[in-house]
Amino acid sequence: NAGVTQTPKFQVLKTGQSMTLQCAQDMNHEYMSWYRQDPGMGLRLIHYSVGAGITDQGEVPNGYNVSRSTTEDFPLRLLSAAPSQTSVYFCASRSSGLGDEQFFGPGTRLTVL
Amino acid sequence: QQQVKQSPQSLIVQKGGISIINCAYENTAFDYFPWYQQFPGKGPALLIAIRPDVSEKKEGRFTISFNKSAKQFSLHIMDSQPGDSATYFCAASHWDRKLIWGLGTSLAVNP
Repeated sequence: NAGVTQTPKFQVLKTGQSMTLQCAQDMNHEYMSWYRQDPGMGLRLIHYSVGAGITDQGEVPNGYNVSRSTTEDFPLRLLSAAPSQTSVYFCASRSSGLGDEQFFGPGTRLTVL
Repeated sequence: QQQVKQSPQSLIVQKGGISIINCAYENTAFDYFPWYQQFPGKGPALLIAIRPDVSEKKEGRFTISFNKSAKQFSLHIMDSQPGDSATYFCAASHWDRKLIWGLGTSLAVNP
């Protein structure tokens, strides 16, 4: 099992550019989430999905889109990058059920100039 | 409004000492309280978790103490080692299973 994989590891964008952060998991988990991590801010939920075809907004969804066409993949799209989106992005997955462990990917470090 | 408050923000402990990190929550509907450990350049990983029907859970050198009436829970790391140097996050969730995170504690264990 590869677990949760994310690509790319690092990315530099210019303001206004768009891009997609990729996330995949091979554990057949129903739940997948995207977080951003900023110094002193902890982990903030961007979007999440409870299964293929079902997505919902988290705490900080503005400027981001998601889709979930398969159980395995949950890409995060930045529509028009802004310097405020400079952050480390983590994808996570877990199975349904009470208190199941959430597995995190290695993260993508994004810089928007 | 932060629903899970974590303290301290940073902590320095000597090798062999006890590291203690505290969290307080507001929502009495929370029923799952995990602690995650994050090393630099890595994603967080589950360390230990507790449900409110027990007051303490121990796994090796790591113990969660839970005080339901005070709405507080804490992580104790016994015999702290330099390899424990990491950022620790507490979290809480209820029926929707969305985790509400504390802001993290950066732990440094001096050799």
